[in-house]
Order: sequence, then C-alpha cells, then structure tokens
Amino acid sequence: GAVVSQHPSWVICKSGTSVKIECRSLDFQATTMFWYRQFPKQSLMLMATSNEGSKATYEQGVEKDKFLINHASLTLSTLTVTSAHPEDSSFYICSARDRSGGGAYNEQFFGPGTRLTVL
Amino acid sequence: KQEVTQIPAALSVPEGENLVLNCSFTDSAIYNLQWFRQDPGKGLTSLLLIQSSQREQTSGRLNASLDKSSGRSTLYIAASQPGDSATYLCAVSGNQFYFGTGTSLTVIP
Repeated sequence: GAVVSQHPSWVICKSGTSVKIECRSLDFQATTMFWYRQFPKQSLMLMATSNEGSKATYEQGVEKDKFLINHASLTLSTLTVTSAHPEDSSFYICSARDRSGGGAYNEQFFGPGTRLTVL
Repeated sequence: KQEVTQIPAALSVPEGENLVLNCSFTDSAIYNLQWFRQDPGKGLTSLLLIQSSQREQTSGRLNASLDKSSGRSTLYIAASQPGDSATYLCAVSGNQFYFGTGTSLTVIP
C-alpha cells in the first residue's frame, strides 16, 4: 500500500514552454501533498505544501506564479512549471500524507520523481 | 528552523565491512525520523522509519537508532555489499519534512 506515482517520469522541453507534472496517491487519499526539488548532488528542498481544496503554501524563495500547484482532489496534485528556463532543469519529487492516518504519524510517501530538462 | 546534517558526506569501504552513517538535527521536537536510499537519477526508497517514541528499528542488515534528546541518529549497515552503493538521506518530520545533506556510499568489490 501507500504508493505514490508521478507522471511523466522525465520530460524535455524548450525554453519558454510550460510543463505539467502530476502526482497521484494510488491507494490512499491525501489531503496534503508536498513538492520538492533536487539539483544534482544536492539534497531535496521543499518547494511548497499542497492542500486539497485550498491554495498551496510556498517556501521562501519559490515563485508561486512560476510554479503553479493545483490539488483538485484527494488523490491528485499537479505542479506546472510556467515559462520554463534552463535553470529550472531539476529533479522534482512529490510526496503525500495519508489522510486516514495510515503509516506512522506525519509519515510521507514519496513518488519516483520527474526529471525536467529545459533546453 | 530545523537543520539536518549528515556526516560523512562521502564514504568508500571495501565489501564486507560494517559501517555507520550519522545524522544530526538541531530541533528535537520531531514526530519521526526516516532513512532513505537514493540511487543516481532515481527517486527515494524508504529504508527505516523511527517514531519519536522509539529508540531503534531494524530491517535485515540495517539498523537505525534515534537519540532525540541529543538530536542524533545513526544508520548501521552490516556486511556491506556493492549493491549498497547509493546516497543515503535522513529526514526528520516536524511541521514539515527536513532532509539531510546525504552521504554518498561506495562499496568496493
């Protein structure tokens, strides 16, 4: 149980285009999902917290108009990188917290990540 | 703000050795601590989760301990194998998840 999927697993796009990444909890409902970014040889940095039915909370330094987050249902959150530029190239990972309390308290289940390359 | 540090940043050992990875955190008000493995270009694989009320967890050749009062955790890997080569991340869960800087492990055949 507690599986989180991401789609696509990798994407290459031209500079200036927008890219949407999906994060789904497959066998549980998630009121809260998280989006992380990881640059090469660095650790994961939290970008934003996504709550179902409300606006996302962005970490300091993350542009909310550039990284649009939508959490329209209890099993789906999307991250859209708008007007992508080469410096946005990174590994994006989402995680989800089980609404029913499955797993340890405050445990997060992680998706496999999406590799974004902006040319 | 919680800060999580992992030492060493990189480690290279011959196959068969026992080894210890260290993780320290500055705020002891955590819900749990989790160890992950990350292979190059891949996502995270959860290895062990220790709840704040627990002292240690074991899974196969892995043993993780938690000393919340001193803000430390260790991941012990017994009889290391080349397949253990990866980056190991610890993360503490408070109001949000805070990841450590990672330890890159290479096990030499």
